[in-house]
Amino acid sequence: KQEVTQIPAALSVPEGENLVLNCSFTDSAIYNLQWFRQDPGKGLTSLLLIQSSQREQTSGRLNASLDKSSGRSTLYIAASQPGDSATYLCAVRTTGTASKLTFGTGTRLQVTL
Amino acid sequence: DAGVTQSPTHLIKTRGQQVTLRCSPISGHKSVSWYQQVLGQGPQFIFQYYEKEERGRGNFPDRFSARQFPNYSSELNVNALLLGDSALYLCASTAAPDRGIWPQHFGDGTRLSIL
Repeated sequence: KQEVTQIPAALSVPEGENLVLNCSFTDSAIYNLQWFRQDPGKGLTSLLLIQSSQREQTSGRLNASLDKSSGRSTLYIAASQPGDSATYLCAVRTTGTASKLTFGTGTRLQVTL
Repeated sequence: DAGVTQSPTHLIKTRGQQVTLRCSPISGHKSVSWYQQVLGQGPQFIFQYYEKEERGRGNFPDRFSARQFPNYSSELNVNALLLGDSALYLCASTAAPDRGIWPQHFGDGTRLSIL
């Protein structure tokens, strides 16, 4: 059974700082890993998707890496801004499970002025 | 282009009642999945439908059911509501579920409160 863990559960950083969010998963047989952002009371916004054959993906100030063999992914946010404050969730799609995504419990990020 | 749309946005029910939640996928997407998100937790998979057929089911009781219509929209039904069913219900769509290259896109969810 796939299990996804995110560390830390919460993080507070001053504006302008670079930061790293961590995600680990127990079953390395995955199709892909997806990072999402969730604002309070809202749905999920897809940030990046990394296929199992890829090592990293970049979008603007965001960079996500994937080490499938060790069951780890990181989301790097450069030059953080107050507007980045949200909960960040990672989810893996495990092979043989249709389109089911298994989520971590998220990292709640607060970027202060 | 419109994203995934869900209705209603909020719903209040009492224990024992039944509820129907609705989802319209992104145009061209044929796969719809449903998730339940309890406060402070990550979303939990309930169902996936593709081309009107059930492709996957999570660990939820038979009180939960769903269907997909010819236009690829979907409904989630929950019978005999319990207090523990209070959650944010999220719908996701994707273009081709058998290909790992396509991301899943989520709607804003339906907030269900059981009194």
